[in-house]
Amino acid sequence: DQQVKQNSPSLSVQEGRISILNCDYTNSMFDYFLWYKKYPAEGPTFLISISSIKDKNEDGRFTVFLNKSAKHLSLHIVPSQPGDSAVYFCAARRTGTASKLTFGTGTRLQVTL
Amino acid sequence: KAGVTQTPRYLIKTRGQQVTLSCSPISGHRSVSWYQQTPGQGLQFLFEYFSETQRNKGNFPGRFSGRQFSNSRSEMNVSTLELGDSALYLCASSLGTTNGEAFFGQGTRLTVV
Repeated sequence: DQQVKQNSPSLSVQEGRISILNCDYTNSMFDYFLWYKKYPAEGPTFLISISSIKDKNEDGRFTVFLNKSAKHLSLHIVPSQPGDSAVYFCAARRTGTASKLTFGTGTRLQVTL
Repeated sequence: KAGVTQTPRYLIKTRGQQVTLSCSPISGHRSVSWYQQTPGQGLQFLFEYFSETQRNKGNFPGRFSGRQFSNSRSEMNVSTLELGDSALYLCASSLGTTNGEAFFGQGTRLTVV
């Protein structure tokens, strides 16, 4: 049972344009969401997070939007840069399970010149 | 501030052997979680330790175990290794509070032959 889903396995975007990565979840008990970036053979790097009491959080070029009614979140990267090419994972955490993260399957982002 | 350190980075073991992986969290972090990443299953939660106690556990067989020491360092042990245990094992460090981010180490690549 995949509780966190990233339905697009890959995405290609031109440098300078906006990248939009999507994530859906099924468990309404999730109340904290995180995005990680991962290069091969390395650990995930934390990018940005959002609590369920908010619908938007910004950090530089990265913005995460949360639509609780649709159980959907998205990560916007503006402008996209070649160094952003990596696999992006969406993760969710449930109330009372502090550090247990449920991950999506990842979206490979390729930023082209 | 030093990051999360995992040792060793690479390991080759034979079926039936056992293995111990180590994780040193970020200073001040009391929670250590372990994840397994495989191509087919993505990132899956193994267990979490907080103040030397296992606080959460994923759906893995009893061959997978762990412990945490008083200095928050954690070890993960896999006994009677199987070929399917070949994976990238990741350790995540966090404060262990309700919100807040988990920071990952670079992982240990385990190959079982």
